[in-house]
Amino acid sequence: NAGVTQTPKFRILKIGQSMTLQCTQDMNHNYMYWYRQDPGMGLKLIYYSVGAGITDKGEVPNGYNVSRSTTEDFPLRLELAAPSQTSVYFCASSYGAGSSYEQYFGPGTRLTVT
Amino acid sequence: GNSVTQMEGPVTLSEEAFLTINCTYTATGYPSLFWYVQYPGEGLQLLLKATKADDKGSNKGFEATYRKETTSFHLEKGSVQVSDSAVYFCALISGGKSTFGDGTTLTVKP
Repeated sequence: NAGVTQTPKFRILKIGQSMTLQCTQDMNHNYMYWYRQDPGMGLKLIYYSVGAGITDKGEVPNGYNVSRSTTEDFPLRLELAAPSQTSVYFCASSYGAGSSYEQYFGPGTRLTVT
Repeated sequence: GNSVTQMEGPVTLSEEAFLTINCTYTATGYPSLFWYVQYPGEGLQLLLKATKADDKGSNKGFEATYRKETTSFHLEKGSVQVSDSAVYFCALISGGKSTFGDGTTLTVKP
């Protein structure tokens, strides 16, 4: 199993550009999550999905969009990139949302907006 | 809402020293508690977890006990190694939503 994979690893965007961060998991997990991690800070939940076709907002959804057309993929779209979106983005998945289900994380995408 | 407060870092220890990283939480209901570790350039990995009060999670010499009365889940290790240098995150899941602390950077010197 590859687990959770994310592409790209690094990206530099200019203000106002758009991009999609890709996330794929091969563990047949129902739940998938997008987090951002700012320097010296913990993870903030952007969006999550409980299954194909179902998504919901997390703590910091503004400026982002997601879709979940398959169980495996959960792309994160940035429209009109802003410097405040400079961060490291982590995708994660879990079998369920119950208290005993750990999350598996991808290696992250480091995004800089200048 | 839910919150997790971790001991501020960074923490620097000599090899074989005793480690404690404090974590306290506020949550509605009965959360499960987790410690994740993040090595440089990598994503987070689960270190240990506890799903109910008085449970003790343990892994790789690390331990943490779920203390409901003090709403705490402190991470401990009796003898740290250089390879334990990483960022440690305390987290909880309650009602299907996860909340992470800000992380504590641990550096172990030989």
